Amino acid sequence: DADVTQTPRNRITKTGKRIMLECSQTKGHDRMYWYRQDPGLGLRLIYYSFDVKDINKGEISDGYSVSRQAQAKFSLSLESAIPNQTALYFCATKDRRNTGELFFGEGSRLTVL
Amino acid sequence: QKEVEQDPGPLSVPEGAIVSLNCTYSNSAFQYFMWYRQYSRKGPELLMYTYSSGNKEDGRFTAQVDKSSKYISLFIRDSQPSDSATYLCAMSDGNAGNMLTFGGGTRLMVKP
Repeated sequence: DADVTQTPRNRITKTGKRIMLECSQTKGHDRMYWYRQDPGLGLRLIYYSFDVKDINKGEISDGYSVSRQAQAKFSLSLESAIPNQTALYFCATKDRRNTGELFFGEGSRLTVL
Repeated sequence: QKEVEQDPGPLSVPEGAIVSLNCTYSNSAFQYFMWYRQYSRKGPELLMYTYSSGNKEDGRFTAQVDKSSKYISLFIRDSQPSDSATYLCAMSDGNAGNMLTFGGGTRLMVKP
């Protein structure tokens, strides 16, 4: 089983719908992240969490919200999806070292029609 | 101007070629430099990690950092079809949080 698991892997939805992407990890890491990947733009940080009680906005948080339900679970919500939120979304985890490696899930491809 | 610039490619090379992938950046505070490899339909995985300037070698891969020029490179020797992937550079200043700034990625295709 993957260390960082994302569900769903693929989702097609309509404008205005609420969508939740879920992430769970078995690495025991405190830090969890949600990134968005668009062609040519690399990975951009949406939200990050250093522990269950610590949630922080990233570079592109508008239109998104998150919930850290447990150390191992971090979900991303789109309250009212719009077409320009069509992208590949990645969850990642990291240990407490400032210079630690990011471990990514396999991604959730979201299409908003 | 983006903080980290990377040619998107695609870069197509024959098997056995030496590949050079590059990134330039503008933030002089960056001290930690990484290369991630991303196969199609997969998440990125760390390939190389270097601190400050200099070279680091790991098998067929060499990472090079020139902080004076704000330029980093990844060299792949004896490239294989299995090296076909998108390569993302990433960097950080190492401060608390250590947020990574990613380049846009270069798609590499190694043809048999």
